[in-house]
Amino acid sequence: QKEVEQDPGPLSVPEGAIVSLNCTYSNSAFQYFMWYRQYSRKGPELLMYTYSSGNKEDGRFTAQVDKSSKYISLFIRDSQPSDSATYLCAMLNTNAGKSTFGDGTTLTVKP
Amino acid sequence: DGGITQSPKYLFRKEGQNVTLSCEQNLNHDAMYWYRQDPGQGLRLIYYSQIVNDFQKGDIAEGYSVSREKKESFPLTVTSAQKNPTAFYLCASSTSGYNEQFFGPGTRLTVL
Repeated sequence: QKEVEQDPGPLSVPEGAIVSLNCTYSNSAFQYFMWYRQYSRKGPELLMYTYSSGNKEDGRFTAQVDKSSKYISLFIRDSQPSDSATYLCAMLNTNAGKSTFGDGTTLTVKP
Repeated sequence: DGGITQSPKYLFRKEGQNVTLSCEQNLNHDAMYWYRQDPGQGLRLIYYSQIVNDFQKGDIAEGYSVSREKKESFPLTVTSAQKNPTAFYLCASSTSGYNEQFFGPGTRLTVL
């Protein structure tokens, strides 16, 4: 069983929709949580970086962490065609000093 | 501009040849990482280094080698022992092993 499981997708939504992207994890050593956006043939770009359980908002993006359930989510409000990309969750193991990534969810926002 | 550079963007090699991928950062980051990404898959850790002259194997180190002689440089060699080297290779760096990582643009390696 993988340490990080990400909803596989692909996901296709109309412009303006609210998007929910989700990951679960099994390793309690994961203490920091990240969301990356990756456009085709490009390097991942850091979107959100969180530690505590609860919500963190940045513009149209909200990262949610529930450590008790080992579950994280990324919400995108008022989705735009420019949001079309693959989204990767990542978990940082502070004991080992390295991160584990989900397999990614590919999102398409249709105009 | 501060950032991470990887070169070349595309690389073609014949089967059986070793090839070295470059990764340079001017962010003054202590930690650097190499990942491999295959189509439709996430990132798999090859090697990482938290300090100069020290590095650790990741989850898929077989067939790869690295060096960390300078803080800003972390080259990856794909050896002929790597059975399926064709992939997208990503380099990343972070302030330390306990912080978020920032990625370079990647190198797409194709072995013919």
